[in-house]
Amino acid sequence: GQNIDQPTEMTATEGAIVQINCTYQTSGFNGLFWYQQHAGEAPTFLSYNVLDGLEEKGRFSSFLSRSKGYSYLLLKELQMKDSASYLCAVSDSNYQLIWGAGTKLIIKP
Amino acid sequence: NAGVTQTPKFQVLKTGQSMTLQCAQDMNHNSMYWYRQDPGMGLRLIYYSASEGTTDKGEVPDGYNVSRLKKQNFLLGLESAAPSQTSVYFCASSYSTGTGSYEQYFGPGTRLTVT
Repeated sequence: GQNIDQPTEMTATEGAIVQINCTYQTSGFNGLFWYQQHAGEAPTFLSYNVLDGLEEKGRFSSFLSRSKGYSYLLLKELQMKDSASYLCAVSDSNYQLIWGAGTKLIIKP
Repeated sequence: NAGVTQTPKFQVLKTGQSMTLQCAQDMNHNSMYWYRQDPGMGLRLIYYSASEGTTDKGEVPDGYNVSRLKKQNFLLGLESAAPSQTSVYFCASSYSTGTGSYEQYFGPGTRLTVT
């Protein structure tokens, strides 16, 4: 079957760094997406990785290892507005997105 | 440029009632999707449409129907609502050629409660 695993909840301190992990087992792989979803709002796109390695975009970076079926999202210099759920999604062999349940990130002052 | 819009934003139905959720996008995207999001679960695909006039079942299609008569619109119907269909429904669209992965743009969601 297809499976995406992420921690349910994480807590971090304002100004710190946090890493949110995602492991996957899917039928085929055509890239991995990270989305941010604030409570009561729609998901919004953060990053896309299809090749191994690190993609940096401002305070956010995303890493992919296809051989390990593993990705992480790294958030630096955390701000209170980063409190949200972070969703990992894999594009499968049919280019359909398989979604993880999301990681709720709580930022404390 | 409104992006993806959905109506209504909130809806309460009684068991057995029917309704249609509406979705529109102004980005000229080929593909459109309907998801439901339940607590503790990932987004689950109900139906998708790769192009105007075509639709395909996703992971959880039972109890729903869809239509894509115009490229910019994708409608989701509930013929006879059940309490198990209480959820948040998101519509999304993407530029898709069928041979690549593209980000999906989401509407604001419809919060549906079936009593």
